[in-house]
Amino acid sequence: GQSLEQPSEVTAVEGAIVQINCTYQTSGFYGLSWYQQHDGGAPTFLSYNALDGLEETGRFSSFLSRSDSYGYLLLQELQMKDSASYFCAVNSNYQLIWGAGTKLIIKP
Amino acid sequence: ETGVTQSPTHLIKTRGQQVTLRCSSQSGHNTVSWYQQALGQGPQFIFQYYREEENGRGNFPPRFSGLQFPNYSSELNVNALELNDSALYLCASSSSTWLAGGGGTQYFGPGTRLLVL
Repeated sequence: GQSLEQPSEVTAVEGAIVQINCTYQTSGFYGLSWYQQHDGGAPTFLSYNALDGLEETGRFSSFLSRSDSYGYLLLQELQMKDSASYFCAVNSNYQLIWGAGTKLIIKP
Repeated sequence: ETGVTQSPTHLIKTRGQQVTLRCSSQSGHNTVSWYQQALGQGPQFIFQYYREEENGRGNFPPRFSGLQFPNYSSELNVNALELNDSALYLCASSSSTWLAGGGGTQYFGPGTRLLVL
């Protein structure tokens, strides 16, 4: 089967750093994407890793280890507007295979 | 701004009816994918169209069908609606470099929220 595992909920304090982990098991793998989705909104693209290592985009960084079938999203200097659900998704052949999402709760 | 639009935004249907959802892809994108997202879950891939041909399909029954037009806009049709078809339906467009792992990204529209009673 194909599956992605990520925590259902993470709580952090404004200004802090939080890491959201994702492990995957899929039949095809081209890369790992991360999306943000606010309640009632559309998913918006955050980052994509095709190769092992760290990709940095502003306050957000994403890491991939293909040998471990593992990746994470790192959010720094958390702001209240970062409260949302975060999804990891595997680029597999012609589709994205999604995890169930991690709800990030930020406390002041 | 992604440029992907979907219509309608909300829809209420009864069991057994048929529904058509529409999507206009971002300018320059020739690939459209449709996803179903149930409440509290990640999106599930329905199918993808590339240059008016279906070139990939997820685990959805044949009553889910689609079309892509020469201008790359797309329709999702669902026949014989069932209660568990109630969900957010998302359309995503991308360039052909996204296919087969070419990287890039998919841009999502705001979705159509379908409620089946």
